[in-house]
Amino acid sequence: RKEVEQDPGPFNVPEGATVAFNCTYSNSASQSFFWYRQDCRKEPKLLMSVYSSGNEDGRFTAQLNRASQYISLLIRDSKLSDSATYLCVVKLQAGTALIFGKGTTLSVSS
Amino acid sequence: GAVVSQHPSRVICKSGTSVKIECRSLDFQATTMFWYRQFPKQSLMLMATSNEGSKATYEQGVEKDKFLINHASLTLSTLTVTSAHPEDSSFYICSVLDPTSGVTYEQYFGPGTRLTVT
Repeated sequence: RKEVEQDPGPFNVPEGATVAFNCTYSNSASQSFFWYRQDCRKEPKLLMSVYSSGNEDGRFTAQLNRASQYISLLIRDSKLSDSATYLCVVKLQAGTALIFGKGTTLSVSS
Repeated sequence: GAVVSQHPSRVICKSGTSVKIECRSLDFQATTMFWYRQFPKQSLMLMATSNEGSKATYEQGVEKDKFLINHASLTLSTLTVTSAHPEDSSFYICSVLDPTSGVTYEQYFGPGTRLTVT
């Protein structure tokens, strides 16, 4: 079983759509959770951290359910510039390496 | 500005040759750096943890004699792919652990090195 699993997509949506990505992780001892964004042939960039209480950053909302080991990302009012691969990432403890999911590809069209 | 640099950004080499990739921390001294590898349409996979002044810790399945890591200073770690083969063609990315970020232990990624072995 993979440590972090995501639906690879691709998700093809029109501009303005709302899209949701899901992710599950296998290690219940994981302490930190993130969503990263990776553009084609580039390094991943931190989109947002994910907290148990849920958190929002503009059009992006992240949720964490520790009991079911489930993480989600909601993107509202999709823009063309949101087209990218979204990586679900966990960290076991402070100072350790990040564990990446395979990523979910989003394509937003006009 | 960039926090982490990598050099080269792209390299093409012949099978059997060795390639050195540099990862530099530009903004702070880093005792810990990580090396990842990403094959097409795959996730980033941790190869090894590089610690300044000590031997690197390799993940299971990563050959330490093939992927030589040297963390010679607090701002530089190098990954040398020895006797490269076509199956080593991949995107190699380093990340640097920011010791000044407190309990969040933020990590910053380099721009990556795309290696193609012909």
